[in-house]
Amino acid sequence: DAGVIQSPRHEVTEMGQEVTLRCKPISGHNSLFWYRQTMMRGLELLIYFNNNVPIDDSGMPEDRFSAKMPNASFSTLKIQPSEPRDSAVYFCASSLRGTGNTIYFGEGSWLTVV
Amino acid sequence: SQKIEQNSEALNIQEGKTATLTCNYTNYSPAYLQWYRQDPGRGPVFLLLIRENEKEKRKERLKVTFDTTLKQSLFHITASQPADSATYLCALNPNAGNMLTFGGGTRLMVKP
Repeated sequence: DAGVIQSPRHEVTEMGQEVTLRCKPISGHNSLFWYRQTMMRGLELLIYFNNNVPIDDSGMPEDRFSAKMPNASFSTLKIQPSEPRDSAVYFCASSLRGTGNTIYFGEGSWLTVV
Repeated sequence: SQKIEQNSEALNIQEGKTATLTCNYTNYSPAYLQWYRQDPGRGPVFLLLIRENEKEKRKERLKVTFDTTLKQSLFHITASQPADSATYLCALNPNAGNMLTFGGGTRLMVKP
């Protein structure tokens, strides 16, 4: 299995630009998570999908952030407009729904907003 | 407020010794707790899961304990090796389901 695939791996963009991060979960997994990691705040859950439906988006910091999952094999996290404080590593992860199931992380998208 | 606390200071130990990392939580009643390993520039990787009705879980050189009265989990690596150097994260589910909340992680450095 290829694991969770994220793109781009690295992105440097100017403040105000739109950023789109992409994720392909592990085939057969029905839960998908977007996390953000920074030195100050650690690993924070932004949004969680189950069967392509957003279940909990309470971690999305503000309206500039949006996430979609149009089908079981693809999700996007969009930031528009981006700000320097959005600079972080964004991880996508997937799992099989069920209590205690392991979450599998991608390698992350390293975002720098200048 | 709900908190998951791990020692933010790095733990430095000598090769061959046992490393013990601590995860404390408040205002949660998790059904299970997980430990992950994260190497620099990589995503976290699952290591072990322990359920609320389990006191201890082992996997090779790893051992996890879970004390729901103390609200604490301990993560042990016996016969530590330099290759064990990484950041270790604990995670628990704040409510029913498989949504995980992570602690800040503890960096372990094993010196040869």
